[in-house]
Amino acid sequence: GQQLNQSPQSMFIQEGEDVSMNCTSSSIFNTWLWYKQDPGEGPVLLIALYKAGELTSNGRLTAQFGITRKDSFLNISASIPSDVGIYFCAGQYYAGNNRKLIWGLGTSLAVNP
Amino acid sequence: GAVVSQHPSRVICKSGTSVKIECRSLDFQATTMFWYRQFPKQSLMLMATSNEGSKATYEQGVEKDKFLINHASLTLSTLTVTSAHPEDSSFYICSARAPGLASDETQYFGPGTRLLVL
Repeated sequence: GQQLNQSPQSMFIQEGEDVSMNCTSSSIFNTWLWYKQDPGEGPVLLIALYKAGELTSNGRLTAQFGITRKDSFLNISASIPSDVGIYFCAGQYYAGNNRKLIWGLGTSLAVNP
Repeated sequence: GAVVSQHPSRVICKSGTSVKIECRSLDFQATTMFWYRQFPKQSLMLMATSNEGSKATYEQGVEKDKFLINHASLTLSTLTVTSAHPEDSSFYICSARAPGLASDETQYFGPGTRLLVL
């Protein structure tokens, strides 16, 4: 199926460093979502973006909905060991009466204490 | 709020048997639930969209007779993997959309069910 271009694929950083990851698409979305998934668990919503240009923060996390509606980025400031996990972006679109998600392939984050 | 549970969390079964996975919205009513499948180190792949009281809509390539979905109430959807085979082994995750919450566009995910078919 269709997927978003998410980069980087993986990151290995030192505790305290800032992290940036992004997703791009050839399609326009009305909503961008960022999720974090821990091993053996379902994805947990971090930030939801609903308007082009919107910049939203959730604690140390900041995400933006690109002005073209075809991209989004997620920044994590001052990383800590519990930030370890896989981060997925997802773009939401309308399919008939349903809203569906298209997913990025994920960014695997490792934090060295 | 917006908690979704799945049961069982993991299951091991013999080839040829059927397995039922339950997805429940615990503190909200979910008119729409989604079923995903995830292989190791890969992203989530949507299998089907389940609307309460109607037949599920399956994604292209997903066998509806193989993966039976029932969304009989606003808080429960079930996925039954019929005549399971080793290639059906995977991580199955459900999600629910919650109209009436602050945003009804967000999908809330269950913790997933690990299926291993021997």
